[in-house]
Amino acid sequence: DAKTTQPPSMDCAEGRAANLPCNHSTISGNEYVYWYRQIHSQGPQYIIHGLKNNETNEMASLIITEDRKSSTLILPHATLRDTAVYYCIVRGFNTDKLIFGTGTRLQVFP
Amino acid sequence: GAVVSQHPSWVICKSGTSVKIECRSLDFQATTMFWYRQFPKQSLMLMATSNEGSKATYEQGVEKDKFLINHASLTLSTLTVTSAHPEDSSFYICSVYDNYGYTFGSGTRLTVV
Repeated sequence: DAKTTQPPSMDCAEGRAANLPCNHSTISGNEYVYWYRQIHSQGPQYIIHGLKNNETNEMASLIITEDRKSSTLILPHATLRDTAVYYCIVRGFNTDKLIFGTGTRLQVFP
Repeated sequence: GAVVSQHPSWVICKSGTSVKIECRSLDFQATTMFWYRQFPKQSLMLMATSNEGSKATYEQGVEKDKFLINHASLTLSTLTVTSAHPEDSSFYICSVYDNYGYTFGSGTRLTVV
């Protein structure tokens, strides 16, 4: 599976958009990009995933660059409850394992 | 996604004893479940893949005789930490993959004293 690189931490003001970057320069054509988040002492929560097209759901948007070497998770209107560690994960097509990297700790402040 | 229930939420045990953690897929028949371990301020580390009706597949460096995994039905996988020691104290999390993605349990905090 391709490795991912994320900034260790980010801050965001409540109500503003949170843009979390992820680099996955070694991604191959059949590997998916998943985003999960983990609020303290809880199990990870699914946010969104995509292959090459941009995706949007009720929680977030996922923007994948055309060369697929990086992506950005966008939380359009961050709230205090969005404070969590966000994990960007690349999963291979032929595997069912999800391997977590170090993630980005997002702190939303009032 | 699937609804996953993990039990207990927390457990304290004495050094040398064994502890069993249950992971249930309540609305999906899961042939595969995953077990993770997470130490404080660290990321999740995949320990093993639990396969219904067959032996679990352990990740490199994980002692299979210490972390016994049983997946006897499509809705239940158990992780038993045998002869627990303080260094086994950690947050253990299970996961189910269904047709939509991965759903995680709420985790079990194990403290070995």
